[in-house]
Amino acid sequence: KQEVTQIPAALSVPEGENLVLNCSFTDSAIYNLQWFRQDPGKGLTSLLLIQSSQREQTSGRLNASLDKSSGRSTLYIAASQPGDSATYLCAVLPTGGGNKLTFGTGTQLKVEL
Amino acid sequence: DTAVSQTPKYLVTQMGNDKSIKCEQNLGHDTMYWYKQDSKKFLKIMFSYNNKELIINETVPNRFSPKSPDKAHLNLHINSLELGDSAVYFCASSQDGYYGYTFGSGTRLTVV
Repeated sequence: KQEVTQIPAALSVPEGENLVLNCSFTDSAIYNLQWFRQDPGKGLTSLLLIQSSQREQTSGRLNASLDKSSGRSTLYIAASQPGDSATYLCAVLPTGGGNKLTFGTGTQLKVEL
Repeated sequence: DTAVSQTPKYLVTQMGNDKSIKCEQNLGHDTMYWYKQDSKKFLKIMFSYNNKELIINETVPNRFSPKSPDKAHLNLHINSLELGDSAVYFCASSQDGYYGYTFGSGTRLTVV
């Protein structure tokens, strides 16, 4: 059974810092991995999607990497801003059909002025 | 021009009532899903429909019944609501999952 863990569970940083969020999964047989952000009381916004054959994806100040063999992904946020404050979720899609996206436990990020 | 839209956004109801949540996607995706986010913010899949056919049915009480009239719509009907059903329910869609998932904004259900 696929289990996805995110560390740390919560993180508070001053504005301007670069930071790394971690995601680990127990079964490396995945199609892809997707990073989302969730603002309080809101839905999920897709940030980056990495296919299993890819090593990383970039969008603006965000960079996500994937090491499938070790079951790890990281989300790097450069020059953090208060507007980055949200919960970040990673989710993996297993191979073998079923389309059962499995979510991690989330990292709650607060960027302070 | 919302890609995945859910209604209502908030739903407060009494125990024992029956309620429905509606979801529509305009992305042309073949597969739609219902996810439940519990009080600890953990998201777990409940159901998945591919082109109106049920393909994932997790261990969910049979008081929950999804219905897909066409591939652009997936509704969730809940009978005899219980306090433990209080959660945020998210609808999502994908094209076989390869291009990622798109989620709706969620329906916060509160059972009192």
